Amino acid sequence: ELKVEQNPLFLSMQEGKNYTIYCNYSTTSDRLYWYRQDPGKSLESLFVLLSNGAVKQEGRLMASLDTKARLSTLHITAAVHDLSATYFCAVVDYGGSQGNLIFGKGTKLSVKP
Amino acid sequence: NAGVTQTPKFQVLKTGQSMTLQCAQDMNHEYMSWYRQDPGMGLRLIHYSVGAGITDQGEVPNGYNVSRSTTEDFPLRLLSAAPSQTSVYFCASSYRASYGYTFGSGTRLTVV
Repeated sequence: ELKVEQNPLFLSMQEGKNYTIYCNYSTTSDRLYWYRQDPGKSLESLFVLLSNGAVKQEGRLMASLDTKARLSTLHITAAVHDLSATYFCAVVDYGGSQGNLIFGKGTKLSVKP
Repeated sequence: NAGVTQTPKFQVLKTGQSMTLQCAQDMNHEYMSWYRQDPGMGLRLIHYSVGAGITDQGEVPNGYNVSRSTTEDFPLRLLSAAPSQTSVYFCASSYRASYGYTFGSGTRLTVV
């Protein structure tokens, strides 16, 4: 059974600082998604990482995937208040759920001036 | 192109009542799934379908029923609502496994 663990679950940052969110998963998968969710809203797709060593960047966010270590990271550079949201990683489960996504519990990010 | 449409957006039920959450997509996606989101729990898979006429259970299927008679629609039924089913429900669809998922706007359900 695929398990996905994110840490930290809560993150309070100051504007201008850097930080990394980690996503570990328990069984083999080569496809991982990062989503952003604002309060009361649906999920917004940020990145899809399709293979080992994949790196994607968009603005102040950069995501990477190491399939051998079963680890993905979401790195935040010089945080700004607009990045305050909850971030989820989700791993494609090719086994038990035939290609559906299994989510981590999310990281609630708060960026303070 | 409407994407994934969920109705209703909000619903309050009394314990023991039944209801159906609707999900429709117009992208001809084969894969559809239902998730529930609870504080601190992320999104958990309830049921999914890999095509019309085919459904299967996810992580938390108890208390829910689904069917898939058409490619477009994937309703989620609560046969006898319980307070533990208070949650936000999201429907998602995908062209095929792991091809990228489109999420609906969600249904916020409260069971009193």
